[in-house]
Amino acid sequence: KQEVTQIPAALSVPEGENLVLNCSFTDSAIYNLQWFRQDPGKGLTSLLLIQSSQREQTSGRLNASLDKSSGRSTLYIAASQPGDSATYLCAVTDSWGKLQFGAGTQVVVTP
Amino acid sequence: GAVVSQHPSWVICKSGTSVKIECRSLDFQATTMFWYRQFPKQSLMLMATSNEGSKATYEQGVEKDKFLINHASLTLSTLTVTSAHPEDSSFYICSARDMAGAFFGQGTRLTVV
Repeated sequence: KQEVTQIPAALSVPEGENLVLNCSFTDSAIYNLQWFRQDPGKGLTSLLLIQSSQREQTSGRLNASLDKSSGRSTLYIAASQPGDSATYLCAVTDSWGKLQFGAGTQVVVTP
Repeated sequence: GAVVSQHPSWVICKSGTSVKIECRSLDFQATTMFWYRQFPKQSLMLMATSNEGSKATYEQGVEKDKFLINHASLTLSTLTVTSAHPEDSSFYICSARDMAGAFFGQGTRLTVV
């Protein structure tokens, strides 16, 4: 059974610092991996999608890497801003389209 | 990207009543939609897979008679929480996929009093 773990559970950094969020999964037979952002009481916003054949994806200040063989993905957020404060979730998709989520990393960026 | 609309965004109901939540894919057709539940400070847990024109597939531990799912068209799936109890209070969110990945509705905050 697939298990997705995110470390750390919470992270607080001053504005301007780079953020590094980690995600690990136990079964490397994934279709893709996605990173999401969730604001309190709100739905999910998809940030980056990495197909199983890809090593990384970039969008603006966000960069996500994927090492399928070791079951790891890392989300980097450069030059963090207070607006980046949110919970970040990673999820792996199996071939049926089901997502398995990690518990999330709660990020606080202080001005 | 694709848009998934979920309604209502929040609802308060009395214990014993039923609540229906709608999930619509606005600009694409979704033969499969997924329903998730999230308790406070926990991750999203898949409840069921909704298939257009056929019965939903429920995850282990999810009562199919309590959480009724209907996927009557390629753009609409509904989740009905029947005879709701306070322990059903949670955040419910639906998802549909297209080639670009999974897209989520805004979620529904259900409070049963």
